[in-house]
Amino acid sequence: EIVLTQSPATLSLSPGERATFSCRASQSVRNYLAWFQQRPGQAPRLLIYDASNRATGIPARFSGSGSGTDFTLTISSLEPEDFAVYYCQQRSAWPLTFGGGTKVEIK
Amino acid sequence: EVQLVESGGGLVQPGGSLRLTCEASGFTFTSYSMTWVRQAPGKGLEWISYVSITSSMIYYADSVKGRFTASRDNAKNSLYLQMNSLRVEDTAIYYCARREGDSGVCFDFWGQGILVTVSS
Repeated sequence: EIVLTQSPATLSLSPGERATFSCRASQSVRNYLAWFQQRPGQAPRLLIYDASNRATGIPARFSGSGSGTDFTLTISSLEPEDFAVYYCQQRSAWPLTFGGGTKVEIK
Repeated sequence: EVQLVESGGGLVQPGGSLRLTCEASGFTFTSYSMTWVRQAPGKGLEWISYVSITSSMIYYADSVKGRFTASRDNAKNSLYLQMNSLRVEDTAIYYCARREGDSGVCFDFWGQGILVTVSS
């Protein structure tokens, strides 16, 4: 099973600041890495697929990078609605796995 | 409008059974494989099952293998999850989510989720 490790567990930032999240895979997932946002009480929403492609309707302030085992999600300038939990997920191998999540909280 | 609507959740005793249904609308169901993902209270996301477009491939997480059975009915645009021998640790919100083709981008759309509580 491919284990995805996200860091940090919590990020305390202010609106307008830049947010950077890390996701590290226990073995190469090539570029088959996605990022999801989950707001309280809501279902997750796909943000980025295949490491760097924004999903439909996702604002340009969200960007993804990386390949192999190291990946990064960046939010260039935090909006109030961006304070949420972010998960990475790989589709390179079965079973599909998710990282443990990074919570972005208001500082 | 794309919609995935889960139903069938509720409270069940340990050892009991439940059948979840996910009804799809607003898209071509037979262009997507389907998955179940769950989230225990206050915890992260866990993939638990996958059903290919023609049901020729069905996969399960080890945590549910042998107890849960996933299926789909393309004529009814529906996905199902039969859950038997339920355990307290199966308590979670269960989401259905679609996947492009049989091996494309995962989880590009999710249902709102349905709560399953296993408790005596």
